[in-house]
Amino acid sequence: DSGVTQTPKHLITATGQRVTLRCSPRSGDLSVYWYQQSLDQGLQFLIQYYNGEERAKGNILERFSAQQFPDLHSELNLSSLELGDSALYFCASSGRRVGETQYFGPGTRLLVL
Amino acid sequence: AQKITQTQPGMFVQEKEAVTLDCTYDTSDPSYGLFWYKQPSSGEMIFLIYQGSYDQQNATEGRYSLNFQKARKSANLVISASQLGDSAMYFCAMREANAGNMLTFGGGTRLMVKP
Repeated sequence: DSGVTQTPKHLITATGQRVTLRCSPRSGDLSVYWYQQSLDQGLQFLIQYYNGEERAKGNILERFSAQQFPDLHSELNLSSLELGDSALYFCASSGRRVGETQYFGPGTRLLVL
Repeated sequence: AQKITQTQPGMFVQEKEAVTLDCTYDTSDPSYGLFWYKQPSSGEMIFLIYQGSYDQQNATEGRYSLNFQKARKSANLVISASQLGDSAMYFCAMREANAGNMLTFGGGTRLMVKP
């Protein structure tokens, strides 16, 4: 158990819908990262938050957004869902020092029908 | 160019034998870190081992060791005394100091341990 929690574990929804994925980092970790794992794209970095502020952005679509709240939990919002958004979405967290190891949550498996 | 390359899509190893999973990387950043993660069929990503670009010695963690050859830009994972529970996908990842703390992953290697 990495100490990172993600809810829900599974999500099935329809095209055009909007969903919210939730992540709680390990105790004491200030950084939260979101990654997408799909069959065709592999594992890709989406976005990072550090202590409530956006720190880095990767290949995140405009239809996707994220935020980190004062209690450090984070939410990834996916809207206008398409079939191609079906993937495993991971949240990871790391400590306050640059370069610290990222520990991953169990992931949320999203299926868009 | 691919930043992380894992050339072995799948590998078999006999139980109790050692196995090496290959990883080559491409960066011009002098400060970087290399990570290996394991992803069992249940889907979670489990951190295994880390090697920093300035580390003088190869990293070891229990049955895992990292064969770090900086000049060749390779960071191969060695698993000694393979166990059935080692059957999983293994991902090599890199963090570059100039790119923040984001991880760039390779395509992974599926390891299957035969009894």
